[in-house]
Parts: sequence; C-alpha cells; structure tokens
Amino acid sequence: AQSVTQLDSQVPVFEEAPVELRCNYSSSVSVYLFWYVQYPNQGLQLLLKYLSGSTLVKGINGFEAEFNKSQTSFHLRKPSVHISDTAEYFCAVTRSNTGNQFYFGTGTSLTVIP
Amino acid sequence: DTEVTQTPKHLVMGMTNKKSLKCEQHMGHRAMYWYKQKAKKPPELMFVYSYEKLSINESVPSRFSPECPNSSLLNLHLHALQPEDSALYLCASSQPTSGIHEQYFGPGTRLTVT
Repeated sequence: AQSVTQLDSQVPVFEEAPVELRCNYSSSVSVYLFWYVQYPNQGLQLLLKYLSGSTLVKGINGFEAEFNKSQTSFHLRKPSVHISDTAEYFCAVTRSNTGNQFYFGTGTSLTVIP
Repeated sequence: DTEVTQTPKHLVMGMTNKKSLKCEQHMGHRAMYWYKQKAKKPPELMFVYSYEKLSINESVPSRFSPECPNSSLLNLHLHALQPEDSALYLCASSQPTSGIHEQYFGPGTRLTVT
C-alpha cells in the first residue's frame, strides 16, 4: 500500500524568501511522484512530476523538486516566493504499474507574507 | 487542448432534489475520475472509469451515481443527498496507456446541500 506524508500543514514565508515543502512516501513498488497546486476555489494544477531519469525535476512557476529514493522523499522548493504563490500544495503518488489511482498527501497551505 | 471542463460551477440543492454534474475533456484520455474535496483536505477518490467502464468505486453511497456516456463525457447523478455531501466535486482525466500518468483536473463544482 502507498501512503504520502506532508509533515507541514501550514508554511508561512516572507515574500522573496526561499521555501521548501516536504513530502515523504512509502511504497513497496516503483512509483511516480507529482506536486499539484490548488488556488482558492479552483481545481488542481500540475506543478511538476517525477517519472524516471534525473532526480531533479523543474516545474512551472519556478518550482523544482528532488526525488530521493533512499529517503523516500520528494520535497518541493522555490528559491524566491511571490505573493501569488499563496495556495494549497498537494504531493501525490501513483504506482508505476497501474497509474490509475493517485494517493494524495494531506496538503500544505503556503502563505506568502508581504 | 489540455482542459477539463465542469458544469455547473456552483449548485445548491435540497435533500429531495435530483441533479447532475457534468465533466468533459477532449484530450483523448480514456480514464476519467470523480473526486470529492472538503475544505482544506485532499481530494478523495470516488469513482474511476477506464475505457468507459467503471473500474473503481470507493464504497460511495448509492445516492451518487456515475455515468460515462462516451470517452469524452462523465456525469455524476445526485439524488437524496445529505448536508454532509456539500463539497467541491472535481473531475479529472488521464491517459492510462501513455506512460505519463498525470491527471488533469477540472475547476470543480461547488455543491451545497440544504
């Protein structure tokens, strides 16, 4: 079975400061990893994904994430946040041999303070 | 076109009403999903259709009835709902055979049961 842990439910950060949102997963098989962002009253938008290859993945809006197999982590980072980055961020995992069922973390609410 | 559309955007219904939520995608995806999302929580999977056949039903009450009339459309029929069913209902789609498993989400329907 898969599980996804987002340790930080809320992360406040000042504008132009760096941020890291943490995600750890547990799985007995190979997985695909995703980060989604949800702005208020909207659906989920894909930020980035790890399928295979380079462990450093770059996404939209200046975000990047690093897959660490030994630590079973997929932390999301941005070197300098903007007010517009205020949103809910979800880490998600799916098994590589099916791909149909996503397992979401509980989410991290990022608030960027002016 | 990487868009999933959902109608209506907002829906208010009484506990004795019958209504339907609609979802449409034109990306040629053959897997479509219904999720329920409560405030500040991750999406909860309700149903998965794969090649127009129901493949996953996550023990959803029978007052929710999904339908997949063709590969582009997904409906969710609602009847005799309870106030606790008030939530954001998200539709998503993906291509199960492409090797790229990300799900594309619609903007959601905000449902209020009175």
